[in-house]
Amino acid sequence: SYVLTQPPSVSVAPGQTARITCGGNNIGSKSVHWYQQKPGQAPVLVVYDDSDRPSGIPERFSGSNSGNTATLTISRVEAGDEADYYCQVWDSSSDHRYVFGTGTKVTVL
Amino acid sequence: EVQLVESGGGLVQPGGSLRLSCAASGFTFSSYWMSWVRQAPGKGLEWVANIKQDGSEKYYVDSVKGRFTISRDNAKNSLYLQMNSLRAEDTAVYYCARADQPAYYDILTGYSLGGDFDYWGQGTLVTVSS
Repeated sequence: SYVLTQPPSVSVAPGQTARITCGGNNIGSKSVHWYQQKPGQAPVLVVYDDSDRPSGIPERFSGSNSGNTATLTISRVEAGDEADYYCQVWDSSSDHRYVFGTGTKVTVL
Repeated sequence: EVQLVESGGGLVQPGGSLRLSCAASGFTFSSYWMSWVRQAPGKGLEWVANIKQDGSEKYYVDSVKGRFTISRDNAKNSLYLQMNSLRAEDTAVYYCARADQPAYYDILTGYSLGGDFDYWGQGTLVTVSS
């Protein structure tokens, strides 16, 4: 089955840039989506199709995807960005299965 | 405003059954694929099952095949998850989620596209324990 690997944690100072990676075999051939989840809340879509942002999501959130790694970048990090972040793809080779990454806890110092 | 409201969670003994419901509003329910996604306590997200707009296609994660059944009633704008033979490892918050765009494989490019979840319910907790 397809596996998406994320670093367990990323720490960043306010105003700096956080980069969260999502590794998967030839992930560059798949659309990657990113979700933000704060404690006790449902996930929120922050980037879809590698680099598009839903309405209402700040431009500080951006994404890229190539080769075996996709990246979510949060610029000018704010305290409110502290959350868990998950990448996700649809794997056509495994019975139409949706796969989530292992998740990354972003801590704002 | 799009709203997804889950219900039906609770405490159930191993081997028992539970039926989850998700009431949808604020959009044309019959036009979207819908999914159930779960999250065990302190763990990550796991996709459980999804269903096509007209209910003609259903897919499941391997761990629930033969035990869980996803269904929908477009006249009632509702999504369901019938869970049988429940196990301790099924303990989780279960979310109902709308697929923003259908996932598909582009045979010309070899790319797997789409498949994001743009709206989620608040979740309902299922606890399997004796």
